[in-house]
Amino acid sequence: SAVISQKPSRDICQRGTSLTIQCQVDSQVTMMFWYRQQPGQSLTLIATANQGSEATYESGFVIDKFPISRPNLTFSTLTVSNMSPEDSSIYLCSAVRGNTYEQYFGPGTRLTVT
Amino acid sequence: KNQVEQSPQSLIILEGKNCTLQCNYTVSPFSNLRWYKQDTGRGPVSLTIMTFSENTKSNGRYTATLDADTKQSSLHITASQLSDSASYICVVSGGGADGLTFGKGTHLIIQP
Repeated sequence: SAVISQKPSRDICQRGTSLTIQCQVDSQVTMMFWYRQQPGQSLTLIATANQGSEATYESGFVIDKFPISRPNLTFSTLTVSNMSPEDSSIYLCSAVRGNTYEQYFGPGTRLTVT
Repeated sequence: KNQVEQSPQSLIILEGKNCTLQCNYTVSPFSNLRWYKQDTGRGPVSLTIMTFSENTKSNGRYTATLDADTKQSSLHITASQLSDSASYICVVSGGGADGLTFGKGTHLIIQP
């Protein structure tokens, strides 16, 4: 299995500011992802974090709003930029190792924008 | 459009009782179906993963079934415990970790 940690676990931020969320995996993984989970909703994929290159974003998500870095095989960051109350959500980091179906999730970062 | 529908949306049962959660999907192509447990304030944790050729898989008191012909799956929980209180999410993969379709989950509450 893979153990994923995220920092911070929660934060309350003011409108217009930015927050960077860190994701650390305890071992090398093939793929890393960032998801958003709004209250009462299912998980929505934001982007795939690619090591050493630009992330691959899903429809409705753009790099200027959600810049992502992945400098190595165990670490990634997601920045939520120029936040608005609509960005209030749980942001989850996820990872897949090798060619398995097993996908691991971090504990999430609960973001509240006021 | 790929969709995963779960029912019921929420469920309350007494400790020790059994329950069954349902998942219907319209995902194509199909690679595998997963059930996750998500405790409040935590990330989802995998319970079972089933491919096209598997029609049942167990993990302790959790048993998942899959009917790929009717595109239905169920998760049966036996002898429920208070720690089973959580959201249970059905996820269908069309191939590749970036091709997952998530259900909204069933919120299960176990009462003593």
